[in-house]
Amino acid sequence: KAGVTQTPRYLIKTRGQQVTLSCSPISGHRSVSWYQQTPGQGLQFLFEYFSETQRNKGNFPGRFSGRQFSNSRSEMNVSTLELGDSALYLCASRNLGPGKNYGYTFGSGTRLTVV
Amino acid sequence: DAKTTQPTSMDCAEGRAANLPCNHSTISGNEYVYWYRQIHSQGPQYIIHGLKNNETNEMASLIITEDRKSSTLILPHATLRDTAVYYCIAYNTDKLIFGTGTRLQVFP
Repeated sequence: KAGVTQTPRYLIKTRGQQVTLSCSPISGHRSVSWYQQTPGQGLQFLFEYFSETQRNKGNFPGRFSGRQFSNSRSEMNVSTLELGDSALYLCASRNLGPGKNYGYTFGSGTRLTVV
Repeated sequence: DAKTTQPTSMDCAEGRAANLPCNHSTISGNEYVYWYRQIHSQGPQYIIHGLKNNETNEMASLIITEDRKSSTLILPHATLRDTAVYYCIAYNTDKLIFGTGTRLQVFP
């Protein structure tokens, strides 16, 4: 069974640019969450999508956005990049539904460096 | 979500049991205790979770006190590959709230 796949693994962008990260969940998982990890702030929740709808959102500025497609794959976008956006971005999927609420499975992350 | 408190770091000799404590004194009755670990630069890995009863799987055991205000993750025979940051999370909502975790160093 394939795990959570995140692409690309590494990315270097310039301040002011925008970036799109991709996440393919485990087959059958309809919930996808995104987290940002930095040395200073640790792991912070960005948002969660379920059945193409955002069902929860963390405390991040509007420059951070996401979406989910009908096949449950998700993308997150960061516009007008700042140096402080340099981080490891993690995606996690879970099997969420009636009678189901299992733990999250995380991908290996995308390491974004803003220069 | 309840806040959890863990020691910043711990050491353990290879082959010995590693006992990682976690305080969650404000946990509510329907919040589970989840444990994840993160090996350097990888995504967090699920270890185990429980509500009231002690739990065991192939990776670890979870001991939850009767009042549910604290728990202990036990790695019965720690190996060098268990060196990681371990996160204890009280969870019942839509997101995992990660604290700073415990950095476990297993030494030969």
